[in-house]
Amino acid sequence: AQSVTQLDSQVPVFEEAPVELRCNYSSSVSVYLFWYVQYPNQGLQLLLKYLSGSTLVKGINGFEAEFNKSQTSFHLRKPSVHISDTAEYFCALSSASKIIFGSGTRLSIRP
Amino acid sequence: DTAVSQTPKYLVTQMGNDKSIKCEQNLGHDTMYWYKQDSKKFLKIMFSYNNKELIINETVPNRFSPKSPDKAHLNLHINSLELGDSAVYFCASSQDRRYEQYFGPGTRLTVT
Repeated sequence: AQSVTQLDSQVPVFEEAPVELRCNYSSSVSVYLFWYVQYPNQGLQLLLKYLSGSTLVKGINGFEAEFNKSQTSFHLRKPSVHISDTAEYFCALSSASKIIFGSGTRLSIRP
Repeated sequence: DTAVSQTPKYLVTQMGNDKSIKCEQNLGHDTMYWYKQDSKKFLKIMFSYNNKELIINETVPNRFSPKSPDKAHLNLHINSLELGDSAVYFCASSQDRRYEQYFGPGTRLTVT
């Protein structure tokens, strides 16, 4: 069975501090991995994606993620967060037969 | 131009009623989706259509019926609405199921 686990439901950080949002997945087949961001009262938008190739992927707004096949992880990082990064973040996978979203991580930024 | 649009944005209705939510995408994508997001932000895929054909049909009550009149539209019809149907419903589209999805702004359904 395939699954996506976001280990933290909430992550509070201070402005300009680094942040890591964790995502682990489980799948016996090859998958594509995504991170989406949802700002309050809006739809989701893509931050970044891993399809193949380089395991370090860079996205919008200064975010990056590293695909680690041995640890089945796809953690999202940003070296310095801003108040405007306050949002819900979703990790997702797609395969030939499934599309699965994680339960989301709420990132709250403290001034 | 809005890439993926949904109407209405808000929908308040009583139990037992039938309602529809419309979705349109102008991105030329072949695949469209419906998601349900509950009050805890949990996002679950309901349906996926590719070129007007149903390809994903997750376990949802058969009161929910998707209809795709053409590749650019995927509507969601809900019969006999129940309190538990209250949620935000998102439409999305993608070039292919492997690729990123573009989401609409959501429709907040409240059943009283």
